[in-house]
Amino acid sequence: GESVGLHLPTLSVQEGDNSIINCAYSNSASDYFIWYKQESGKGPQFIIDIRSNMDKRQGQRVTVLLNKTVKHLSLQIAATQPGDSAVYFCAETSSGAGSYQLTFGKGTKLSVIP
Amino acid sequence: DAGITQSPRYKITETGRQVTLMCHQTWSHSYMFWYRQDLGHGLRLIYYSAAADITDKGEVPDGYVVSRSKTENFPLTLESATRSQTSVYFCASSLDKDYGYTFGSGTRLTVV
Repeated sequence: GESVGLHLPTLSVQEGDNSIINCAYSNSASDYFIWYKQESGKGPQFIIDIRSNMDKRQGQRVTVLLNKTVKHLSLQIAATQPGDSAVYFCAETSSGAGSYQLTFGKGTKLSVIP
Repeated sequence: DAGITQSPRYKITETGRQVTLMCHQTWSHSYMFWYRQDLGHGLRLIYYSAAADITDKGEVPDGYVVSRSKTENFPLTLESATRSQTSVYFCASSLDKDYGYTFGSGTRLTVV
């Protein structure tokens, strides 16, 4: 399968525990953020997004927190399951005129210990 | 089936050959993108398109050509493949510019 996990920060979590994956961004003009999950051999899959007018957004078992002051984004996964094992990417973009490119972070590999 | 599909899934080609990777989406999304994914570099944008007949360069466009004569198709051509173009290529589409992208399953290209 795809070995995108090599050379990536790794987070190991016990099954049932909560996971927190962090992401720092540098562009203060970024106002739209997305978290993606990528399993081995597959394309990135949309998890949750957040716009800069929000600090927090919740989905099913996932929460994204945005701290614009320090340009930091986090993804919290509740009750982590073996199926959550994957590489997680944050992505950012600015909705300004002419800007429609997502910039992706390098990713974090989440390993769930059964 | 609806969605975004890439073909072929795997491709091995020789240095200097021309190769085209296909991408097709059924949602009539305006925006389409090509990324390559390499160890240590993450996802890097090659080319993107805001609509049919509108394309623009991304971060790493050299050695690649795209076209978009129809909204649903966005082929990526390597005019003369090099070993450095060995990578996994992902196509993505989006309804609007500040909207989550949907990715295809990828094409693993090996240039020997």
